[in-house]
Order: sequence, then C-alpha cells, then structure tokens
Amino acid sequence: DTGVSQDPRHKITKRGQNVTFRCDPISEHNRLYWYRQTLGQGPEFLTYFQNEAQLEKSRLLSDRFSAERPKGSFSTLEIQRTEQGDSAMYLCASSLYSQGVRTEAFFGQGTRLTVV
Amino acid sequence: RKEVEQDPGPFNVPEGATVAFNCTYSNSASQSFFWYRQDCRKEPKLLMSVYSSGNEDGRFTAQLNRASQYISLLIRDSKLSDSATYLCVVNPNTGNQFYFGTGTSLTVIP
Repeated sequence: DTGVSQDPRHKITKRGQNVTFRCDPISEHNRLYWYRQTLGQGPEFLTYFQNEAQLEKSRLLSDRFSAERPKGSFSTLEIQRTEQGDSAMYLCASSLYSQGVRTEAFFGQGTRLTVV
Repeated sequence: RKEVEQDPGPFNVPEGATVAFNCTYSNSASQSFFWYRQDCRKEPKLLMSVYSSGNEDGRFTAQLNRASQYISLLIRDSKLSDSATYLCVVNPNTGNQFYFGTGTSLTVIP
C-alpha cells in the first residue's frame, strides 16, 4: 500500500499521560499536514511541514502538542498531559506541492484517540 | 467568520434523485477547491477537484462561482452507495493549509 499510513489506528489513554502518533506520507510528497476531527465537524488544521520544516501551526496547537518531521519523511505528533478534550480523530495528510500548481491532499486512516 | 461554510444537512433523498450541495468561502483570493467524501469513521477521500469552468465526473458535477464565492456539487441518479458526508475544501493557494467545511450529510434511501 503506497498511501498515507498512520499508527496506531486507535489509542486509549488515561488523562495526564503522553501519547505519540506516527504518520508515513506518500513517499514523494513534500508536504505533510496534521488535522484533528471531532464528531460532526470537519477536520481542523493543526500544523503542516514542507520537507522537515514546520511552516505553520494553528493556535489550536497548544503547548502540550508538538510535531516533528526530522528527516522530511515520516512525522510524529505528541500530546503531553492529555486531557479529555483531546479525544478526537487525528488525521495526517500529504501532498506534492509545487508553486502555482494545484495540489491535492491525501489522507491516512487516522488515529482515534480516547482519553479516559 | 469561518473560512468555509456548508449546510450540514442531513439530506435524505430517495434512490435516483438529484441532490445539490453548496458551500461558501470567505477568502476571495482562494484558488483551489475540492470536494471530499467521508464515510462514517473513515478518512476523507478526494471526490473531485473543482475547476473554474466547472467539471463533471460521471454522475457528479462541480461548479465554482467566484463572484459569489460559492462551490456546488450536484449528484444525479443517487445511489445507496452515495450515502456519506461531503466535505467542501478550499486551499487559498498561498500553499498553506486546506480549509474544510463541517460537511454535509447525505443519506440515500431505498
């Protein structure tokens, strides 16, 4: 499968614990995005990378959230001291960006986080 | 004001019906527009891009009205398998994030 893959698919954690999610984008894609989605809502932007550089972070991304893409390939999203309000589906997407060219994003299957 | 606004529905239509969804966007400089489909508890999947001249893919037709800043999706001859949430997506083409609407829920009834 050469699509975007995310791991784990499901995560249940106790409030206050740290969690880390991984995303492997489509191999030739230079942009990688993290989104969060709650029931009945569209995906909300968290952050995105171009290669290894983190170019934008949403104000939704509090200090407890950090994302990395150290070698410009896979990315991790860490949530520290989880809260019940962090329960959501965390979606990763990738795209092949080229200036002036329409770019489409392709999503992974998501990591569903439940904080108890 | 939200970047992208959609009527959340739900739309319940009989098989064979034609149904249309609209969404509006706030950034007049936006350049790229898409419709994604999302099945329950699954990831969004690209349904079609929306081009300035309008475009068609089988039973699906997408239109863009820049003057009024809205995008539409028309589904003809609805199938049971069309039941899903349809997400309107705008990429301002500053090359940054994709903005999603809340999605419009469609149920096609036998």
